[in-house]
Amino acid sequence: GENVEQHPSTLSVQEGDSAVIKCTYSDSASNYFPWYKQELGKRPQLIIDIRSNVGEKKDQRIAVTLNKTAKHFSLHITETQPEDSAVYFCAAYPTAGAQKLVFGQGTRLTINP
Amino acid sequence: EPEVTQTPSHQVTQMGQEVILRCVPISNHLYFYWYRQILGQKVEFLVSFYNNEISEKSEIFDDQFSVERPDGSNFTLKIRSTKLEDSAMYFCASSPSGGPNQPQHFGDGTRLSIL
Repeated sequence: GENVEQHPSTLSVQEGDSAVIKCTYSDSASNYFPWYKQELGKRPQLIIDIRSNVGEKKDQRIAVTLNKTAKHFSLHITETQPEDSAVYFCAAYPTAGAQKLVFGQGTRLTINP
Repeated sequence: EPEVTQTPSHQVTQMGQEVILRCVPISNHLYFYWYRQILGQKVEFLVSFYNNEISEKSEIFDDQFSVERPDGSNFTLKIRSTKLEDSAMYFCASSPSGGPNQPQHFGDGTRLSIL
């Protein structure tokens, strides 16, 4: 089955700097990769996703890149702000009839003012 | 924006008791899911549900667990005889369809504490 590895587990950056979180997946048939932001005690909130037919997608300060050959995808946050502090989870949606998301371990991002 | 809603937000139950967690998925969504998150760990898939039947379940979803859509709006997760290790945050999610490119939207979760 699909396995998703996420790094780093914790990340601390200065306000205004960029943050990058990386994930690798094992199932080459996976073709949908969402990123979720989870603030303390709150729901995982979908912030951006990418499908396997594109290599990059941007939404304001957030971008996601996908390398299908290497089976990895990354979240990039530019001009970080204190409200970006949260736990970020990557996930993969396997094909072959799978009806579930497989999540990475999560990255606790802290933005230092 | 429509949201998935879950009740209760926090449930405290004695070990061995039955518990029912409730969810109202987004109204035009067809696929429903339960996930759980043990404190400090990643989100884990439990079960997916479509057309009034389970479409996939994980090894966590053993005979103590069941799901039901008792009416046109609610989706429930029942744990028959709770164990200490069932303590976790339980999230319900829904998606418009179960296709591989459909985003899943999560509710706020129910924190289940087993004493």
